Amino acid sequence: KQEVTQIPAALSVPEGENLVLNCSFTDSAIYNLQWFRQDPGKGLTSLLLIQSSQREQTSGRLNASLDKSSGRSTLYIAASQPGDSATYLCAVNFGNEKLTFGTGTRLTIIP
Amino acid sequence: NAGVMQNPRHLVRRRGQEARLRCSPMKGHSHVYWYRQLPEEGLKFMVYLQKENIIDESGMPKERFSAEFPKEGPSILRIQQVVRGDSAAYFCASSRGPQSSSGANVLTFGAGSRLTVL
Repeated sequence: KQEVTQIPAALSVPEGENLVLNCSFTDSAIYNLQWFRQDPGKGLTSLLLIQSSQREQTSGRLNASLDKSSGRSTLYIAASQPGDSATYLCAVNFGNEKLTFGTGTRLTIIP
Repeated sequence: NAGVMQNPRHLVRRRGQEARLRCSPMKGHSHVYWYRQLPEEGLKFMVYLQKENIIDESGMPKERFSAEFPKEGPSILRIQQVVRGDSAAYFCASSRGPQSSSGANVLTFGAGSRLTVL
């Protein structure tokens, strides 16, 4: 069964710290992996998309890595800010038209 | 470009009533996906549609749920005879092409429709 897991479910860190969010998936034959941000009561915002042939993608203070062999992806956030507080979702495309989502990590940046 | 528009944003229904959720994809997008997010759970795929065609409905409950994407107008997710367990956020996403095509068409999500069944 193709599953995506995100641990921890919640994380609190002081403002200014660097942090890493983790995502693991059960099937290494993935097509691509996306990281989304979800704010309370809002929709999803796509942050980074990594193709299966790529190892990482960067956008501003965000860097996402992909290691298919170990079934892991990380989202690195540098110099965290209170505005980064949100739920971060990892979603994997296993080669069909459906994204399989993790349950997310709820991030709180403490001013 | 207004993005993916979903309405209503909030809908309250009593058990046994019908719920209709609408989704207008981004301009130029002809592929629509519906996902459901139950309280404290991740998003789950429901259905994938192109204009006038249901491509994959493997995530749709067998009864009471239906979806359409007509030639003209928005995509509609219809839930008949709602029950309390249908209370959830329903998200629509659209893309220019299939997820599996080269270039990996990125999904753009709407803000969601939150259904509450009393």
